Amino acid sequence: AQSVTQLDSQVPVFEEAPVELRCNYSSSVSVYLFWYVQYPNQGLQLLLKYLSGSTLVKGINGFEAEFNKSQTSFHLRKPSVHISDTAEYFCAVSVPGGSARQLTFGSGTQLTVLP
Amino acid sequence: GAGVSQSPSNKVTEKGKDVELRCDPISGHTALYWYRQSLGQGLEFLIYFQGNSAPDKSGLPSDRFSAERTGGSVSTLTIQRTQQEDSAVYLCASSAQGSNSGNTIYFGEGSWLTVV
Repeated sequence: AQSVTQLDSQVPVFEEAPVELRCNYSSSVSVYLFWYVQYPNQGLQLLLKYLSGSTLVKGINGFEAEFNKSQTSFHLRKPSVHISDTAEYFCAVSVPGGSARQLTFGSGTQLTVLP
Repeated sequence: GAGVSQSPSNKVTEKGKDVELRCDPISGHTALYWYRQSLGQGLEFLIYFQGNSAPDKSGLPSDRFSAERTGGSVSTLTIQRTQQEDSAVYLCASSAQGSNSGNTIYFGEGSWLTVV
């Protein structure tokens, strides 16, 4: 079975500073990788996903993530954050051709952007 | 509608009562998921519907939980004899195909259930 670890439960950062949210996964087979964002009192929204091909994936709102197979990581980055980026961020992994239950979410990272 | 619609958005119920949560997926989406999100936790898979196939119920935490999907569209999650530990946000999601195809999964805003 696969698993996802988000090492940082809370990340405070000042506005216009860069940020990296860490995600590591464990799987014995190839995977698809996703980052979702959840704004207060809302559902989850897809930021970006890696299925295959280029390991650098660009998403919405200026976010990008890099798939590193050797380090089994999929860290999310943004060069300059805004107050509006304050939200909960979830990393997720699924197994191509696997069951729906194999879409596994991390426990989330709360990003707080400070003025 | 344009997105996944869930109702009610908030529900406060007394312990022991039954509750029904409704999900209206994006039109044309064959895959529908229910997740539970407890405070400060990640998402817990509950149940998955794909077209006319038998649902994957492997995530339902007890026999008090059940779900159905009528006509391949609207789904209802039912919790019988609610307990305080059932308090959580129940998220519904849908996709054009299953998650194992890499398709984007679209989430509703959730139903916030509080059992008192």
